[in-house]
Amino acid sequence: SYELTQPPSVSVSPGQTARITCSGDVLPKQYAYWYQQKPGQAPVLLIYRDRERPSGIPERFSGSSSGTTATLTISGVQAEDEADFYCQSADSTGTYPEVFGGGTRLTVL
Amino acid sequence: EVRLVESGGGLVQPGGSLRLACAGAGFNFSNYEMNWVRQAPGKGLQWVSYISSSSLTIYYADSVKGRFTISRDNAKNSLYLEMNSLSAEDTAVYYCARADDGYNRYWGQGTLVTVSS
Repeated sequence: SYELTQPPSVSVSPGQTARITCSGDVLPKQYAYWYQQKPGQAPVLLIYRDRERPSGIPERFSGSSSGTTATLTISGVQAEDEADFYCQSADSTGTYPEVFGGGTRLTVL
Repeated sequence: EVRLVESGGGLVQPGGSLRLACAGAGFNFSNYEMNWVRQAPGKGLQWVSYISSSSLTIYYADSVKGRFTISRDNAKNSLYLEMNSLSAEDTAVYYCARADDGYNRYWGQGTLVTVSS
């Protein structure tokens, strides 16, 4: 098995840029995926295959990956972006087991 | 519009069993792989189990292997999770998710399983 490590919390003021990192040895070999979860709601896919954005996701959400670190960037943070964010990837030998990072709570000050 | 609706959660005693169901709509259910993902109260997401579109390939997390059984009925557009020998550590919201090429594109609203005496 493998691990994905995220910072427990990130805080930014409205309009600023938030960057949430996800570190793991598997990331040079596998894609990273990002989900947003607001309190009491199901997760929502934000980014797939490191940097692709599903339809309906605002352009201010972007993803990148380099080496053992994937990064979710939220440009021009809005109050409504306050949520928990999770990265996810796959085992180096295939798709499963899926592993999620521990999650990052984004606080908009 | 893709919809996934879980059901079957509830309160169960330690050592007991429960069967969760997930009804899919708005897409060709039989063409897609599916996952169960859970979230303990106040904790992060944990992948539980995967089933291929034809049910030929199945995977489980080590923590549930031998106790949980995933299955599907494509004729009924339904996914299931049979859970046995439940313990307090299995208390969580259980989500079904459509697995699109290694990630979870769509999620249900979840069903809460509470294991307590």
